[in-house]
Amino acid sequence: AQSVAQPEDQVNVAEGNPLTVKCTYSVSGNPYLFWYVQYPNRGLQFLLKYITGDNLVKGSYGFEAEFNKSQTSFHLKKPSALVSDSALYFCAVRDGQAGTALIFGKGTTLSVSS
Amino acid sequence: EAGVAQSPRYKIIEKRQSVAFWCNPISGHATLYWYQQILGQGPKLLIQFQNNGVVDDSQLPKDRFSAERLKGVDSTLKIQPAKLEDSAVYLCASSFGTAPNEQYFGPGTRLTVT
Repeated sequence: AQSVAQPEDQVNVAEGNPLTVKCTYSVSGNPYLFWYVQYPNRGLQFLLKYITGDNLVKGSYGFEAEFNKSQTSFHLKKPSALVSDSALYFCAVRDGQAGTALIFGKGTTLSVSS
Repeated sequence: EAGVAQSPRYKIIEKRQSVAFWCNPISGHATLYWYQQILGQGPKLLIQFQNNGVVDDSQLPKDRFSAERLKGVDSTLKIQPAKLEDSAVYLCASSFGTAPNEQYFGPGTRLTVT
């Protein structure tokens, strides 16, 4: 069965520092991996995805994520955090060879202090 | 480009009452999804449509939930009768095709069942 784990409920960083939001996954086939961000009272917004190819994926707002097959991880990163990055971040996975549903993690709240 | 539209944004009902949510996807998007997001959890897929056909409704509680997508555009999700545990945000999303295409989410409908 597919699953996604976001081990941290909350990540706190100071503005200007690098940030990492962790995600690990489990699928039987090749994974399609996604990161979404949710601001209060708004729907989820797509940040980036990994389907195949280069393990380092670049996305919106300066975010990037690194696919690591051996560690089954897809951590979200940003070199320099902004206060406006404070939001709820979701990792999601779909088995590229089976099923249709996108499975979401429980989310990680990112808090960037000034 | 207009985003995914949902209405109403908020709804409060008593248990055993019925409620309906409406979604208008992005123009040209053949795939439409309904998710349930309970507080503190990631979105969970309820049903996926491809045009006006159901692709996946394995997690839809069919004894009380129903959904339709007439003419392959707008969609309606209904709950009848509602239970307290149905209190959640109901998100509609659409995509140009199925995964690996990213999904675009509407703002959601926050349902409170008292």
